[in-house]
Amino acid sequence: AQSVSQHNHHVILSEAASLELGCNYSYGGTVNLFWYVQYPGQHLQLLLKYFSGDPLVKGIKGFEAEFIKSKFSFNLRKPSVQWSDTAEYFCAVTPPNYGGSQGNLIFGKGTKLSVKP
Amino acid sequence: DVKVTQSSRYLVKRTGEKVFLECVQDMDHENMFWYRQDPGLGLRLIYFSYDVKMKEKGDIPEGYSVSREKKERFSLILESASTNQTSMYLCASSFTGGLNYEQYFGPGTRLTVT
Repeated sequence: AQSVSQHNHHVILSEAASLELGCNYSYGGTVNLFWYVQYPGQHLQLLLKYFSGDPLVKGIKGFEAEFIKSKFSFNLRKPSVQWSDTAEYFCAVTPPNYGGSQGNLIFGKGTKLSVKP
Repeated sequence: DVKVTQSSRYLVKRTGEKVFLECVQDMDHENMFWYRQDPGLGLRLIYFSYDVKMKEKGDIPEGYSVSREKKERFSLILESASTNQTSMYLCASSFTGGLNYEQYFGPGTRLTVT
């Protein structure tokens, strides 16, 4: 079945460690890609998005993601995490010929990041 | 700044009750969505609407219905609540056009059915 996969359910890091969260999707063709973040007790908010152009996308709070079409991947990275990055991270895809004009998103199951001070 | 509000942050209902969850957005967005969020399952789409009085089933519509009488308001209805509908419910909205499919989310309603 076509899907969005996030490989890590829970990642635990110490402050200043580097972060990479994996996201793979199984749709062919042109896709739109998103990373959303949900801080404890807060609503889901957009971290970054990719539609076209430069496959390296920079988002808020020092996050970036790289779209690698040949690998069907859109991994999220941050060189040095902080305690305040503790949150749940969701990858989402608008697959071709599915979103239509409504732009339905298919979400991964999420990765919880815990950063130890 | 886009704002999506949901009528309640926390709700406790009894099995068999009819439950209404309300969502309002203030950005004149055409599209509105209802998801449920469960640990380890991510967000799953229940219903969406791309215009007033229009609705489409998502991935898990069973046990739910929706209503969109006004552009800014999208209601999720649990006709007869069951314990397996205990969950966090998220509403979102988005703008049609320009390939900008970014969805804006409300704070969520944590529903407990006892």
